[in-house]
Amino acid sequence: TQLLEQSPQFLSIQEGENLTVYCNSSSVFSSLQWYRQEPGEGPVLLVTVVTGGEVKKLKRLTFQFGDARKDSSLHITAAQPGDTGLYLCAGMNRDDKIIFGKGTRLHILP
Amino acid sequence: ETGVTQSPTHLIKTRGQQVTLRCSSQSGHNTVSWYQQALGQGPQFIFQYYREEENGRGNFPPRFSGLQFPNYSSELNVNALELDDSALYLCASSFIVGTPHEQYFGPGTRLTVT
Repeated sequence: TQLLEQSPQFLSIQEGENLTVYCNSSSVFSSLQWYRQEPGEGPVLLVTVVTGGEVKKLKRLTFQFGDARKDSSLHITAAQPGDTGLYLCAGMNRDDKIIFGKGTRLHILP
Repeated sequence: ETGVTQSPTHLIKTRGQQVTLRCSSQSGHNTVSWYQQALGQGPQFIFQYYREEENGRGNFPPRFSGLQFPNYSSELNVNALELDDSALYLCASSFIVGTPHEQYFGPGTRLTVT
């Protein structure tokens, strides 16, 4: 069974600080996606990474796919209260189905 | 272009009953996937429909079943409801099967089983 482990589970930091959250697996994924989910809503896709070592930037968010395509990280620079939410990583497995991690719940304090 | 919609938004059922949840996919999309998200967990894949056929299934019992219609909308049916079926049920639509395709999620249906 392919699993995605996300860490930390919870993170609470002050506005303006930087942070990194992680998504790790012992399995290789053909692609990996990051989503943000707010209470009462469905996940919203932030980025898809496909190539090992790939780095993508979305404003203050930087996403990296590990060289071996087993792990990924999300770095947020100068966090803002609007970044608060549940960050989910999801990988596409051998059967082309998407497997989600349990998420990192991020809270940015104003 | 309309997004993914789901109905109802909230539902309360009694153990043993049956429930049907509905999803309208985003225009231009031909694939619908259903997920169950328990409180504090990530979404778990239930099944996917493509061209009105089931195209893969997660680790869920047969009492979870689905349909996809010619207009690509979809239903999730759950029979013999159990307390553990209480969760947020998410529908996601996409265009291409078998690629790192982008999925767009609906707001979900919150099911409570008492």
